Amino acid sequence: SQTIHQWPATLVQPVGSPLSLECTVEGTSNPNLYWYRQAAGRGLQLLFYSVGIGQISSEVPQNLSASRPQDRQFILSSKKLLLSDSGFYLCAWTQIEGANVLTFGAGSRLTVL
Amino acid sequence: GDSVTQMEGPVTLSEEAFLTINCTYTATGYPSLFWYVQYPGEGLQLLLKATKADDKGSNKGFEATYRKETTSFHLEKGSVQVSDSAVYFCALRSGGSYIPTFGRGTSLIVHP
Repeated sequence: SQTIHQWPATLVQPVGSPLSLECTVEGTSNPNLYWYRQAAGRGLQLLFYSVGIGQISSEVPQNLSASRPQDRQFILSSKKLLLSDSGFYLCAWTQIEGANVLTFGAGSRLTVL
Repeated sequence: GDSVTQMEGPVTLSEEAFLTINCTYTATGYPSLFWYVQYPGEGLQLLLKATKADDKGSNKGFEATYRKETTSFHLEKGSVQVSDSAVYFCALRSGGSYIPTFGRGTSLIVHP
């Protein structure tokens, strides 16, 4: 069966520090991968998606970046965090074909101080 | 472009009350429709889905019917429990699109 892992689960970082959140999917190949952010009390904001290795599409211009170095690995990064980067970050995957149900990871809660 | 509109919350109910969370959508073509649920501190998980007009998705006592004529996919449950307290997201995905479209989410609070 397919599983998705995100880490770290929680992170407290000072303003201006770097960030790396990692997401891996097991039990499938060539998935579509997504990074979402959920600010407190708000809906989902799509940050990046990827349809293949090295293929990244950005939905919102900001100081975050994403990379997909392997088929089932998706990394969210920042060189210098801002206070506004605080939030709950969710990784998700879906198969290319079929009903396209999104499967989400458990999330990473980032607090920037 | 595609869009999803959900009723604003929070929705506050007593245990065993009837639940309706409204969802309407705008999309080109014939999208697949979804309800996701997010329990406190967790990621989203699929609750139910419908892929064509007049389909009814159901799971855990929740139901939603794909109504093409009214472009709606309202979520219902006959008798809610305290454990149903969560945020509910309506979503769609148009054929050929990589990007699902989500509503803003509706918070449900069920009191004993």
